[in-house]
Amino acid sequence: GAGVSQSPSNKVTEKGKDVELRCDPISGHTALYWYRQSLGQGLEFLIYFQGNSAPDKSGLPSDRFSAERTGGSVSTLTIQRTQQEDSAVYLCASSPNTRDYSNQPQHFGDGTRLSIL
Amino acid sequence: AQTVTQSQPEMSVQEAETVTLSCTYDTSESNYYLFWYKQPPSRQMILVIRQEAYKQQNATENRFSVNFQKAAKSFSLKISDSQLGDTAMYFCAAKETSGSRLTFGEGTQLTVNP
Repeated sequence: GAGVSQSPSNKVTEKGKDVELRCDPISGHTALYWYRQSLGQGLEFLIYFQGNSAPDKSGLPSDRFSAERTGGSVSTLTIQRTQQEDSAVYLCASSPNTRDYSNQPQHFGDGTRLSIL
Repeated sequence: AQTVTQSQPEMSVQEAETVTLSCTYDTSESNYYLFWYKQPPSRQMILVIRQEAYKQQNATENRFSVNFQKAAKSFSLKISDSQLGDTAMYFCAAKETSGSRLTFGEGTQLTVNP
């Protein structure tokens, strides 16, 4: 597809379970971002991948959260031992690889709505 | 560190009229980028307009324009000839040149009434 693809669209799980959220960025985009949007809130940065560089994990809220990006393309965000406060929409974005990549806008997926019972 | 503040949680406007959404920000860097994103109920974040801080000229995109006041650290969005499809949550965001992340404001829910 032409845009950022995220799956699943919705996920309901029980407290304590692990979940995996997937992001497939736009082809050719080397920068990939994960954000969390709690109900009625703005977006909170979680993690950033750029090419083969070490990811910027400074936004991850706890060690229960981790993310990886295999082959410089698809990324998976994993939340272990989920808690109710993890309920939110998780948005993924990508941006192109240009010399001045910081100037490039981020293109967002539709997000995964995660609900922890 | 940078912060972005949107002080208007909700706004409404009549179709075909003009509305301005406010945004203020704070950053320690001299060069940065500012964005307005629109989020309709479908959840997808859609880029509306962007401004580079070193450019004095205000950005425009069709019915959307910004009033960028660098000294005041203000970045408001003006929507002219409002349309029903403009109804959405609008987020102001900032990105420092040296950083990787977008910092978002709390959002303004805009409703365009027929």
